Amino acid sequence: EVQLVESGGGLVQPGGSLRLSCAGSGFSFSSYAMIWVRQAPGKGLEWVSAISGSAGSTYYADSVKGRFTISRDNSKNTLFLQMNSLNAEDTAVYYCAKDPKRSWPAEYFQHWGLGTPVTVSP
Amino acid sequence: EIVMTQSPATLSMSPGERATLSCRASQNVNSNLAWYQHKPGQAPRLLIYGASTRATGIPARFSGSGSGTEFTLTISSLQSEDFAVYYCQQYNNWPPLTFGGGTKVESK
Repeated sequence: EVQLVESGGGLVQPGGSLRLSCAGSGFSFSSYAMIWVRQAPGKGLEWVSAISGSAGSTYYADSVKGRFTISRDNSKNTLFLQMNSLNAEDTAVYYCAKDPKRSWPAEYFQHWGLGTPVTVSP
Repeated sequence: EIVMTQSPATLSMSPGERATLSCRASQNVNSNLAWYQHKPGQAPRLLIYGASTRATGIPARFSGSGSGTEFTLTISSLQSEDFAVYYCQQYNNWPPLTFGGGTKVESK
């Protein structure tokens, strides 16, 4: 059974940093592209970043480019999102997700975690 | 950037009724469109990909149609567990991957 479990969220002051993790199990982690998606309070889903299975390709939303870095450790079946220079607009639940196909670029996402909340507040 | 627009924002329905949700793309996305269901505190659930193909385990009451810029998700007979927020997502041309703003299907 495919499982994705996010962790690392919490309360951080504006300008601070957080590192989110997403542990994958039940599939060949290195074979699949992964993404981060967030949902701000009362808002819809917003794509944040994507990474290919080999980590050779990465993409970012304009809203986080230059502040967030996506990476993965395929030896540990873990996806990361390093978030720097956080501001109130980054307050959201952050989800990781995977494409069901071993392809790049990723397309649609069948497996999701339950999310980890991030709150940016003084 | 391809902008996805969903309508209506809220749909008030009763169990057993037919629900029709719309998604419009600002430019042609061919059939590269997915639909998701999302309930509070849960992971989003993939319903449809390729505009009309049901994902594994999705009941037949969910169907998708359309291509190009106009898409529809139909729930043929609403069940109590179907009250949720529904999102469309295009993957024809990205980055960025883009989602619609969502349609909330609520109980009347």
